[in-house]
Amino acid sequence: AQKITQTQPGMFVQEKEAVTLDCTYDTSDPSYGLFWYKQPSSGEMIFLIYQGSYDQQNATEGRYSLNFQKARKSANLVISASQLGDSAMYFCAMREGNTGGFKTIFGAGTRLFVKA
Amino acid sequence: NAGVTQTPKFRILKIGQSMTLQCAQDMNHNYMYWYRQDPGMGLKLIYYSVGAGITDKGEVPNGYNVSRSTTEDFPLRLELAAPSQTSVYFCASSYRLANTGELFFGEGSRLTVL
Repeated sequence: AQKITQTQPGMFVQEKEAVTLDCTYDTSDPSYGLFWYKQPSSGEMIFLIYQGSYDQQNATEGRYSLNFQKARKSANLVISASQLGDSAMYFCAMREGNTGGFKTIFGAGTRLFVKA
Repeated sequence: NAGVTQTPKFRILKIGQSMTLQCAQDMNHNYMYWYRQDPGMGLKLIYYSVGAGITDKGEVPNGYNVSRSTTEDFPLRLELAAPSQTSVYFCASSYRLANTGELFFGEGSRLTVL
């Protein structure tokens, strides 16, 4: 069954340091996509980064990178040089390509606090 | 460019009332989704659609109904509202391509059932 797990309810990081947010997933579909979204206190959902199951390279988008370890079924988000504006909820999500009917499910989220 | 538009943004219902949350997108996306987000929690998939005339249940479909008569619109119907349906509801859409394509979200609809 399709499942996403985020085990860190909250994380603290010092401004300008890097932080890793954990995400593990479970699927029997060989074709899937992994996503990270940011939700600031204002409530909107902001897409950050995408990784396909067949992608050989880890995805990167500016200060965001996705540490994709397929055998371990993990897709951790790394934020480099944290900024105060990075304080938000972060959600990992997965879409199965074949058996899942393209539905996208989310993890419970990690709240990140960036300290000045 | 409107993207995904949800209405209403806020609504208070009494127990047992019914209502429809509207969702429209102008990006010609085939896939559309309804999620609910309870306070401090992640998003739970209620229903989704891969195209006009096709809908399927997500993780928490009980108490809700959907229809998809056009590519643009994907309304969510709440029948016999209950306090457990107090939540923020998000509508989202994405491109047709398998796996790829991020979700585009509406601003959310905050529903309170008293």
